[in-house]
This record gives sequence, C-alpha cells and structure tokens, in this order.
Amino acid sequence: SYELTQPPSVSVAPGQTASISCGGKNIGTKTVHWYQQKPGQAPVLVVQDDSDRPPGIPERFSGSHSGFAATLTINRVEAGDEADYYCQVWDTTSHQGVFGTGTKVTVL
Amino acid sequence: QVQLVESGGGVVQPGRSLRLSCAAAGFVFGDYAFHWVRQAPGKGLEWVSLISSDGSATYYADSVKGRVTISRDNSRNTLVLQLNNVRPDDTAIYYCAKDWGGDGWYYLNHWGQGTLVTVSS
Repeated sequence: SYELTQPPSVSVAPGQTASISCGGKNIGTKTVHWYQQKPGQAPVLVVQDDSDRPPGIPERFSGSHSGFAATLTINRVEAGDEADYYCQVWDTTSHQGVFGTGTKVTVL
Repeated sequence: QVQLVESGGGVVQPGRSLRLSCAAAGFVFGDYAFHWVRQAPGKGLEWVSLISSDGSATYYADSVKGRVTISRDNSRNTLVLQLNNVRPDDTAIYYCAKDWGGDGWYYLNHWGQGTLVTVSS
C-alpha cells in the first residue's frame, strides 16, 4: 500500500518559519493536500491542491511540491499554530486515500 | 454554513456491529462525495471509506474491507457507516468529511467533530 512519510516533530520559535516535508513514491505525480489538527479538535484543511489556500486560511500558510516531496511552510509562526499537521493524497492504483504519518509542530 | 454531526458511537463488544451516522446541513448534500476518516487514540489519521455523490461508487481501506459498508440517503441528508465484526483496533474517533467534488478524489474541505467508538469486552 502507498505510504507518506513526515518528520514526527518540528520545533520553531515564534516569528520564525516552520517547514514540514511529506515524501512518498512518485509523489510528484500526485496532488497533495494538508490538514491541521489541534488537540481535541477535528482536522482543518489548510492547503489544497499542492499550494492553494482555502478561504479563511492565513497567507502565512503555503504549500509547494518539488516532485520528490511536498512541503508545508508556515511563515511568522504564532503560538496558535501549534498542532499536528498531515499531508494527504489519493492512491489511484488502489482507489484509497492516504494520510501522512503526521508532524507535531511545537512553538517554543 | 456547512454542518456535519456524527452520532452512533459508543462501547461495543468485539464481533458485534455498530452503525454510525452523519447528519449534514447547510449545503446541497446530494452534490458531494463523502468520506469517513478515523483516528485511534494518540495516533494519526486513517482514511476509511468514500462514497460518491449519488452513492453509485464506494471505496474502502484495506483495513476495513469486507467488514464495513458506507451508504447515504440523499433525501435525508445522511451518511452512514455500518461496522460489522468489530475488532479492538477499530477503536477510534470516526469523522465524516465532505469532499470538494462529487466523485470524491479531491480534498476534504469540511469535517464533523467525530464520534468515538470503543471496542471492548
């Protein structure tokens, strides 16, 4: 089955930049979406279609896709950005959804 | 405003069945595909199942295939997940999530708050 790998944790000081990678076989051929999940809450979509922001998501959140990995970047990190972040793709071979292993972002 | 409210969770014994529901409001339910996603305690997100807008196409994760059935009633704006022969590793919060499109292979742009299923004897 298809797998997506993320770093378990990222620590960043307020005002700095956090980058979260998402890797998988041939990920360059897939469209990547990103979700934020704060403790005790449901996930929220923060980046769709590799790099687009849904309505209401701050411009500080951006996505990119190099072909070898997808990256979620959070600029000017705030305390309220502390959460778990998951990348997600569709495995068209097996017709199944796949979430990344998740990354916990800690704001120092 | 999109509203998704799950119900039906609880404690169930191994081998029994459970029916989860998701009530939708605030949009045209029949225009969109829907998903179930679950999260075991302290673990990450796991995609479970997808149903197309008209219910004609359904897909399942390997971990639940053969034990789970997704369905929908577009006249009642309701999504259902039937879990059969439940196992302890089915213990999780189950979220329903709305897809951006009707076929289902887009992003999940709205999520419910989830319902907790605990499988225990």
